[in-house]
Amino acid sequence: AQSVSQHNHHVILSEAASLELGCNYSYGGTVNLFWYVQYPGQHLQLLLKYFSGDPLVKGIKGFEAEFIKSKFSFNLRKPSVQWSDTAEYFCAVNDRDGGSQGNLIFGKGTKLSVKP
Amino acid sequence: DGGITQSPKYLFRKEGQNVTLSCEQNLNHDAMYWYRQDPGQGLRLIYYSQIVNDFQKGDIAEGYSVSREKKESFPLTVTSAQKNPTAFYLCASSLGLAATGELFFGEGSRLTVL
Repeated sequence: AQSVSQHNHHVILSEAASLELGCNYSYGGTVNLFWYVQYPGQHLQLLLKYFSGDPLVKGIKGFEAEFIKSKFSFNLRKPSVQWSDTAEYFCAVNDRDGGSQGNLIFGKGTKLSVKP
Repeated sequence: DGGITQSPKYLFRKEGQNVTLSCEQNLNHDAMYWYRQDPGQGLRLIYYSQIVNDFQKGDIAEGYSVSREKKESFPLTVTSAQKNPTAFYLCASSLGLAATGELFFGEGSRLTVL
């Protein structure tokens, strides 16, 4: 079965620390990749996405993610986190070759807590 | 304000009762989705609809039903056949299909079965 793995359930950082959240998927074909974020009390919203081209994609609020095909990974990074980055982060993947385009497979999420 | 409205926000139900969760969008999006979110489980797709009067099962459709009679509305019924219905339910919409664009989510409905 297709799956998406997020390595960390809960990450705690101090402000200005660097962030990297891991995401690995199990598909062998062409994929679309997404990171969504849910800030406390707010809706889930898109942070960034990758379809093709430059494997380093930039999103909102200084976040970026790198697609490494050989590692089936799409890790999320930010050089210096702020207290306002405290949220839950979800990686999502769609298999363009075989899967339904209506179905994004989500990871279980990583909660990020940033200490001021 | 454009967006997705889910109601009710909180709902309590006795075992054996069906309950319907409402989802309305005014974004003029073609596609709509229902996800279930459980702690530590991420989001799992229940049903989605690409067009009025058409919908497809997601990964966990058993015990749920939907309808899409209007473009802006996609209600979800949690039936008594759903064995573990207590959960947080999220409705979403997108201009195209989820895999090719951005999903817009509602605030969610939390269902508790007593």
